[in-house]
Amino acid sequence: KAGVTQTPRYLIKTRGQQVTLSCSPISGHRSVSWYQQTPGQGLQFLFEYFSETQRNKGNFPGRFSGRQFSNSRSEMNVSTLELGDSALYLCASSFKVGTEAFFGQGTRLTVV
Amino acid sequence: AQSVTQPDIHITVSEGASLELRCNYSYGATPYLFWYVQSPGQGLQLLLKYFSGDTLVQGIKGFEAEFKRSQSSFNLRKPSVHWSDAAEYFCAVGSSGGSYIPTFGRGTSLIVHP
Repeated sequence: KAGVTQTPRYLIKTRGQQVTLSCSPISGHRSVSWYQQTPGQGLQFLFEYFSETQRNKGNFPGRFSGRQFSNSRSEMNVSTLELGDSALYLCASSFKVGTEAFFGQGTRLTVV
Repeated sequence: AQSVTQPDIHITVSEGASLELRCNYSYGATPYLFWYVQSPGQGLQLLLKYFSGDTLVQGIKGFEAEFKRSQSSFNLRKPSVHWSDAAEYFCAVGSSGGSYIPTFGRGTSLIVHP
């Protein structure tokens, strides 16, 4: 069974631009979560989707948004990038909300 | 609100020595508890989980953890550490549903000396 796939693995963007990250969950998993990981703040929860609906949202500004498609694939979008958005963005999928999450390798975003 | 505390930011052990990583949680009901490991630049890999039942759970790579409700703890242990165990370890708490935010601890960095 294929694991969680995140694309791209690395991104370099300029301040003010926007970026879209993609996540394909494990087959059969309907819950997808997104996390931002930085050395200073650790792992911070962004949002979680289940069956195309956002179930939970962390404490991030509206520049961070996401969506989930009918095949459970998810995208995360960050608009008007700031230097502080540089981070490893991790996606995780679960069979159902709250249970064990399986993580992708992440997308390393660098904002210059 | 739920929270997870990993009191040790760094732990250094010698190869072959035993290991215990501490995790304390705050949660209103019986939580789902997890330990994850992360190698540099990689995603998180699930080591073990506790949902219910036997409070001593076995995981992959020779790790085990014990759920102690009275102490609100879920400490991770390994009897003999290998150099390849050097990584970042995260404790996390989840729930069976409802409105919640899955919470991770800040992580403990394990350094293994030869």
